[in-house]
Amino acid sequence: AQKITQTQPGMFVQEKEAVTLDCTYDTSDPSYGLFWYKQPSSGEMIFLIYQGSYDQQNATEGRYSLNFQKARKSANLVISASQLGDSAMYFCAMRGPSNDYKLSFGAGTTVTVRA
Amino acid sequence: DAGVTQSPTHLIKTRGQHVTLRCSPISGHKSVSWYQQVLGQGPQFIFQYYEKEERGRGNFPDRFSARQFPNYSSELNVNALLLGDSALYLCASSVRAVRSGGQETQYFGPGTRLLVL
Repeated sequence: AQKITQTQPGMFVQEKEAVTLDCTYDTSDPSYGLFWYKQPSSGEMIFLIYQGSYDQQNATEGRYSLNFQKARKSANLVISASQLGDSAMYFCAMRGPSNDYKLSFGAGTTVTVRA
Repeated sequence: DAGVTQSPTHLIKTRGQHVTLRCSPISGHKSVSWYQQVLGQGPQFIFQYYEKEERGRGNFPDRFSARQFPNYSSELNVNALLLGDSALYLCASSVRAVRSGGQETQYFGPGTRLLVL
């Protein structure tokens, strides 16, 4: 069984500063994918970034980067130069091997960016 | 390009009633997934369909059913509604994406907020 843990229920960050959101996962499969999604108050889940279990480099996507530590089973999201529009709920999710297409989500972390 | 669309956006039902939620995937996407998100929690997987065939089912009772049509749109049906079915129901369509190293990536719609009274 796959499990995603996000231990930070809420975080505050000053505009233009960086924030790190923690995510740890548990799986016995060697092949998996890790995703981060942003959910504004409107409800839509917005895909941010992906990290594959066999990827050698940490994923980056604009102001988003992923600190992937495979041995520690962690995939922390770093948002640099925070903007007011970054205020939202952030979810870490995992997809298992190629024959298991569902996403397993963590409980999420609320980020509030202060001006 | 249009994203995933869902209808209705909001719905109020009473216990015991039946509800049908609809989803249209992004053009070219052949797979549709349904998730239930209870307030304060992460989404929970309900179903996934690919090319009109069920490809996966989560741990939900038989009151929940779904289907996918030839145009790849999908319906989620819930019978005998319970108070605990009140949630945001999210639909996602998926495709192998360049941004995900060619792995299947799910793109979500805005959801349907269901309130059961």
